[in-house]
Parts: sequence; C-alpha cells; structure tokens
Amino acid sequence: EIVLTQSPGTLSLSPGERVTFSCRASQSVGSNYLSWYQQKVGQAPRLLIYGASTRATGIPGRFSGSGSGTDFTFTISRVEPEDFAVYYCQQYGSSPYTFGQGTKLEIK
Amino acid sequence: EVQLLESGGGLVQPGGSLRLSCVASGFSFGAYAMSWVRQAPGKGLEWVSGISHSGTTTYYADSVKGRFTISRDNSKNSLYLQMNSLRVEDTAVYYCAKDAPVIVALSDYWGQGTLVTVSS
Repeated sequence: EIVLTQSPGTLSLSPGERVTFSCRASQSVGSNYLSWYQQKVGQAPRLLIYGASTRATGIPGRFSGSGSGTDFTFTISRVEPEDFAVYYCQQYGSSPYTFGQGTKLEIK
Repeated sequence: EVQLLESGGGLVQPGGSLRLSCVASGFSFGAYAMSWVRQAPGKGLEWVSGISHSGTTTYYADSVKGRFTISRDNSKNSLYLQMNSLRVEDTAVYYCAKDAPVIVALSDYWGQGTLVTVSS
C-alpha cells in the first residue's frame, strides 16, 4: 500500500498570499496518477487536479499541481476567501487507492 | 447535471450488516467506473472500494477486504456496497463517487453521503 504524507498539517494565511502544499509518497506513484481534492466543512470533496498537474473542468487557474514519482506539490497562487478548506492528495495508480491525511488551510 | 444519491445508512450494532445504495443520473452510468469513499467523524478521507464500468473488476481497501462487497446494476443506474461484520471503526459518512471511464478512484463527482453508525 502506498502511504501519502501531506505537510504541513495546518497553514494559516491571509487572502492574496501564495501557498504550497506537499504530498510525499512512500513509493513511486504509477503514471503520476496523483490528484488533489478540496473539501469544505459539511460538503463533499471537489476534484481540483489530476495526473499531478492537470486542472479538472471548471477549476480556476490559480490552482496548480506539479511533481512526479514520490514528491508532489499543490499551489494556490493567490488565496481567495473561498479557498479556506482542507486539501487532500490521493494516488490512483495502484490499489488500494490511498489518500493523504489532509492539510487544513485556515484564515490568519 | 450529474447527480449521485446515496441511501441505506443508519445505526447498526457491531457484527451487523448494512447495504448502501447510490442512484446515479445525468451521465451514462454504465460507461464509468465508480467508487465508495468514507470519512469518519472529524477525520480524513479513506477510499473504500471501486468497481470497473462493467462490474467485472473490483478493488478494496485492506481495512474492508473480505467484509464489504461492491456491485453495480447498470440497467438501474445503481451502485451498491454490502457491508458485513461491521465494526465500530466503520462508523463514517460514506460517499458514492463517479470515476473516470476506465480509471478507478479518479473521482470527479461525489454524492452528499450517507451516515453509517456502528454502535451497541
């Protein structure tokens, strides 16, 4: 089983700032099948990025992803008020398809 | 518009069984893989199980293998999760998710979830 470790656990930022999250895999993620999800309180997750760097349909350009192998990053170029949420990475390259533990982005 | 509506959650005693259902609309259900993902209260996401578009291939998390069974009925646009030998640690909101056509666990649409509580 591939274990995904996200860091940091919590980030406190102000709107307009740039933020980068990390997701590290215990072994290489096949075909860079790594996705990022956003989840707000009381809501279902929302797919943001797949294939490590491809934005899902309708996702704003301020969201981006990069990385390969075992090291992946997710960036919000300028945080908007609606972006404060929990972000999860997930690998879908090999079963079981595991999630990271999440990074909470909170308002400073 | 894609819609996924889960049902079947509730309170069950440890060792008991439940069957979750998910009715899909707004897309060609039989053309897409599907998954179940759960979230324990106050915790993160855990992928539980996935199934290919035809239903011929299934996948499970180690934590539920041998106890849960995923299935689908493409004629009824429905996904199921049969949960047996339930444990307290299975308590969670269970989400039904639409995956990519041939990639299990790449989930672009999610239902609102159904709560399963395992308690005596």
